[in-house]
Amino acid sequence: LAKTTQPISMDSYEGQEVNITCSHNNIATNDYITWYQQFPSQGPRFIIQGYKTKVTNEVASLFIPADRKSSTLSLPRVSLSDTAVYYCLVGASMFSGGYNKLIFGAGTRLAVHP
Amino acid sequence: GAGVSQSPRYKVAKRGQDVALRCDPISGHVSLFWYQQALGQGPEFLTYFQNEAQLDKSGLPSDRFFAERPEGSVSTLKIQRTQQEDSAVYLCASSLEDREHGYTFGSGTRLTVV
Repeated sequence: LAKTTQPISMDSYEGQEVNITCSHNNIATNDYITWYQQFPSQGPRFIIQGYKTKVTNEVASLFIPADRKSSTLSLPRVSLSDTAVYYCLVGASMFSGGYNKLIFGAGTRLAVHP
Repeated sequence: GAGVSQSPRYKVAKRGQDVALRCDPISGHVSLFWYQQALGQGPEFLTYFQNEAQLDKSGLPSDRFFAERPEGSVSTLKIQRTQQEDSAVYLCASSLEDREHGYTFGSGTRLTVV
């Protein structure tokens, strides 16, 4: 399973755009890149998944360069409620059948300040 | 139910005591996972069920840990002779067989061994 590396922590201010980059040099051809968000005292929650180029949903955007060795989660105009831990995962699609054991790293602790 | 329910939310156990943690997955969800999350770390895989069959228990840290899902719905994670290093949040996640909507995590049970 491909290993991921992401910053331990980041700080931002309300209204700013936050970009969290994840490195996954050994990503396999069939691997997807998935980001989860975890608030204190809650379980992780799916944010976004992508395979290549750019994916956007109502919460975030995910940018994946052509070599797929890294990816960047972009959160537009963050608010205090975006303070959470963000995990980058690499592996099978979250939405395909079959066994998929999620492998989490330590994640990035994002603190949004007023 | 609407989400994955875990009980109790908090559990304090004296060292050496046995504990049982319960997970009620979303109705109809075939797959069920248990994860252990130490303070400041990402969740770590413990075990996986497909219906009542425990297909992967490679993450269980010792033979003091035991999980079951006898009727393919509710699951129980049992820890015998608890040790201080067992203190963590225990998360349960479930999904449909085809994972059309991905994984849903519960809020976890915070176990503190004193």
